[in-house]
Amino acid sequence: EPEVTQTPSHQVTQMGQEVILRCVPISNHLYFYWYRQILGQKVEFLVSFYNNEISEKSEIFDDQFSVERPDGSNFTLKIRSTKLEDSAMYFCASSPGLAASTDTQYFGPGTRLTVL
Amino acid sequence: AQKVTQAQTEISVVEKEDVTLDCVYETRDTTYYLFWYKQPPSGELVFLIRRNSFDEQNEISGRYSWNFQKSTSSFNFTITASQVVDSAVYFCALSERTDSWGKLQFGAGTQVVVTP
Repeated sequence: EPEVTQTPSHQVTQMGQEVILRCVPISNHLYFYWYRQILGQKVEFLVSFYNNEISEKSEIFDDQFSVERPDGSNFTLKIRSTKLEDSAMYFCASSPGLAASTDTQYFGPGTRLTVL
Repeated sequence: AQKVTQAQTEISVVEKEDVTLDCVYETRDTTYYLFWYKQPPSGELVFLIRRNSFDEQNEISGRYSWNFQKSTSSFNFTITASQVVDSAVYFCALSERTDSWGKLQFGAGTQVVVTP
């Protein structure tokens, strides 16, 4: 069964460093998402991406964040200068593209980012 | 304002007992979708069920069933004859039609602990 994959599973970085989190969405899916979950809290939407551009972003997704689909399979989230409060689990998700608001989103296993 | 409220923080049951998880949502849209996701201790988010706002028929799928009532804006989820493997955090989520890019808005989650 196709699944979303994410690498690395755990990333430790120093405050101020740049990190890139990688995701491979399910093949043939057209909508891509990043969410984050601070430890013990709810899952929060960061950004959605369709047709090679951001379609929606949350208040959390400020200028420190960027997303890219560098090739036909990868979808990346970059944090330019990490802060302590960026420590969280980051989930990538994808959906088929029949209609974004009605599709089921399938999530990857997450990348745990720890900022020291 | 909270769009999805899961008032139960934690529910503890003994194996084989039924567990009902409450979810109350808030939306002005007439078209929306509701979801339940499971997050086991390993951390991934697993899709369980999806329901659209036009279909209030309640269904059973294996040991899972749900009770969708638009009149009370509730979308409750029941696990019948719980098993230890059901121990996880369960999230209810809402996707509104006006959010045409499919942003999922999650509740705070309910921790289910099933003991043998």
